[in-house]
Amino acid sequence: AQTVTQSQPEMSVQEAETVTLSCTYDTSESDYYLFWYKQPPSRQMILVIRQEAYKQQNATENRFSVNFQKAAKSFSLKISDSQLGDAAMYFCAFSGYALNFGKGTSLLVTP
Amino acid sequence: GAVVSQHPSWVICKSGTSVKIECRSLDFQATTMFWYRQFPKQSLMLMATSNEGSKATYEQGVEKDKFLINHASLTLSTLTVTSAHPEDSSFYICSASGGRRAEAFFGQGTRLTVV
Repeated sequence: AQTVTQSQPEMSVQEAETVTLSCTYDTSESDYYLFWYKQPPSRQMILVIRQEAYKQQNATENRFSVNFQKAAKSFSLKISDSQLGDAAMYFCAFSGYALNFGKGTSLLVTP
Repeated sequence: GAVVSQHPSWVICKSGTSVKIECRSLDFQATTMFWYRQFPKQSLMLMATSNEGSKATYEQGVEKDKFLINHASLTLSTLTVTSAHPEDSSFYICSASGGRRAEAFFGQGTRLTVV
């Protein structure tokens, strides 16, 4: 079974600064996807970024980028130029078949 | 991205009654749909996986007779909470996928309150 661990229950960042959310996972599979989802107070799940395990290049989506270390089974999310609208719960997820989610990190953005 | 519509967004029901939640993929065919449950300030817990035209696969500890899942078409899956009790109160979210490891798209979620 795959497990996803997010060791930071809460994180805080000042507006315009950079923050990194950590995620590690455990799997015996070689072909899989990793995701970061954002869940704002509305509770709608929003895909932030996706990484295919076979790709060595780290995925980037505007201000969001990942540091994917396959051998270390690490998948951290970096948010640059943080904005107030980035405040939310962030879930790391592993996709073998269904999505397995970590426990989440609550991100607070301060002015 | 693709759109998944979940209805209703919230529902209050009396203890002992049944409630049906619908999950529709609006602009793509979803071969697989997933149902999750989320308690306040917690992560999403997978309840069951359904594939169109076949029986749902339930995760360990999820009562299949209480949480009935039907995936009758490639665009619709339903979750029926039967004989609901207050402990069934929770936030239920569906997601739809076009295939294995494909990106999953989420519905808006349903907040169920059983009184």
